[in-house]
Amino acid sequence: QSVLTQPPSVSAAPGQKVTISCSGSSSNIGNNPVSWFQHLPGTAPKVLIYEDNKRPSGIPDRFSGSKSGTSATLGITGLQTGDEADYYCLTWDSGLSVGVFGGGTKLTVL
Amino acid sequence: QVQLVESGGGVVQPGGSLRLSCAASGFTFSSHITHWVRQAPDKGLEWVAVISSDVNNNRYADSVKGRFTISRDNSKNTVFLQMNSLRPEDTALYYCARQGNSLDDWGQGTLVTVSS
Repeated sequence: QSVLTQPPSVSAAPGQKVTISCSGSSSNIGNNPVSWFQHLPGTAPKVLIYEDNKRPSGIPDRFSGSKSGTSATLGITGLQTGDEADYYCLTWDSGLSVGVFGGGTKLTVL
Repeated sequence: QVQLVESGGGVVQPGGSLRLSCAASGFTFSSHITHWVRQAPDKGLEWVAVISSDVNNNRYADSVKGRFTISRDNSKNTVFLQMNSLRPEDTALYYCARQGNSLDDWGQGTLVTVSS
């Protein structure tokens, strides 16, 4: 059971928009920056968003991040079949002094 | 070009030990915090451990605390994960990752299988 809660799966049609939530607490999301990763099992995860809402160079602006209180959200617009992957949020938990991932969300582009 | 290459994985019996290595190149290794992250079969990503750039500040997930030790040799641009008292639930693909703005760069992982 992860400290951060994500929906197990989300789905949407190509071209549509989807959001993935990540719920935590004041000891983690509420007081620490959140990152989002895209992961195809067996490959290296790729960072999409850091510091809640910043995109690394090379990440298209179809990907966006936001945070409010103890919850963070990843948004993906203009869905493509290539976006099918697992998505994870990550932050630091100041109370536990550990890094924490969300349980992961499988995105299906129908 | 940043590169991280993990090695040292394999099959080990419960209670056994392994030492993973993460060889880094393409950046100033001694300036960067490094993490280990793992993924068990059909499970999500799990943060395992972190080591500061100056080796003085390490942290561990509760699931590995007291059994795993993270260390680094800045002269060899390498981070290590010494894993003792291994359990079947430690079976996973282990990744090392460089911290920049986030976990910016990852290796391809090394597979650890704990089984009798």
